[in-house]
Amino acid sequence: SAVISQKPSRDICQRGTSLTIQCQVDSQVTMMFWYRQQPGQSLTLIATANQGSEATYESGFVIDKFPISRPNLTFSTLTVSNMSPEDSSIYLCSVDHGTGYSYEQYFGPGTRLTVT
Amino acid sequence: AQKITQTQPGMFVQEKEAVTLDCTYDTSDQSYGLFWYKQPSSGEMIFLIYQGSYDEQNATEGRYSLNFQKARKSANLVISASQLGDSAMYFCAINTGGFKTIFGAGTRLFVKA
Repeated sequence: SAVISQKPSRDICQRGTSLTIQCQVDSQVTMMFWYRQQPGQSLTLIATANQGSEATYESGFVIDKFPISRPNLTFSTLTVSNMSPEDSSIYLCSVDHGTGYSYEQYFGPGTRLTVT
Repeated sequence: AQKITQTQPGMFVQEKEAVTLDCTYDTSDQSYGLFWYKQPSSGEMIFLIYQGSYDEQNATEGRYSLNFQKARKSANLVISASQLGDSAMYFCAINTGGFKTIFGAGTRLFVKA
């Protein structure tokens, strides 16, 4: 399995500011995923990030609000821009590390964001 | 489109007893994978078990087993000999090979001493 770390683990931010979340994987992976989990809710995919190309955003998420970088095969960042209290969530980085027909996704520890 | 339904918002189980968490899914794809994840209060997502659509035997991983009934499109998680540390949210998920995993709403499990 892949070992994934995220920074910061948690943060409290003021509305209108931006926060960049880092995700580091201990092995090279093709695809990295960013999820949002709002309080008491399930996980929602924000975008898929491939190295060397633009991220692919899911419906309801836009690049201006959630810009993503993927400079190499082990690292990605997600920025939450112009934050509002509705952005208070856990943000999780994930990688696909399956083999054959198996598509396990492994998750980082998450970044718990509170916007005041 | 794929969909996961978890109808149990919360479940209680006595320590050392077995518990079944329900999951039904909907997909038109023939090839897919089903997953269960555990999320403790710390927020991390822990991969528990995987079942492929072509696997004829039910998956098992230690105290976790997946009761896969393909015709009913169900993939229930069975936890045997529950422990206090099993108290957490449990999410069922499906992936059809497009690298997009769809998660259910989750079931919160409470293990009573």
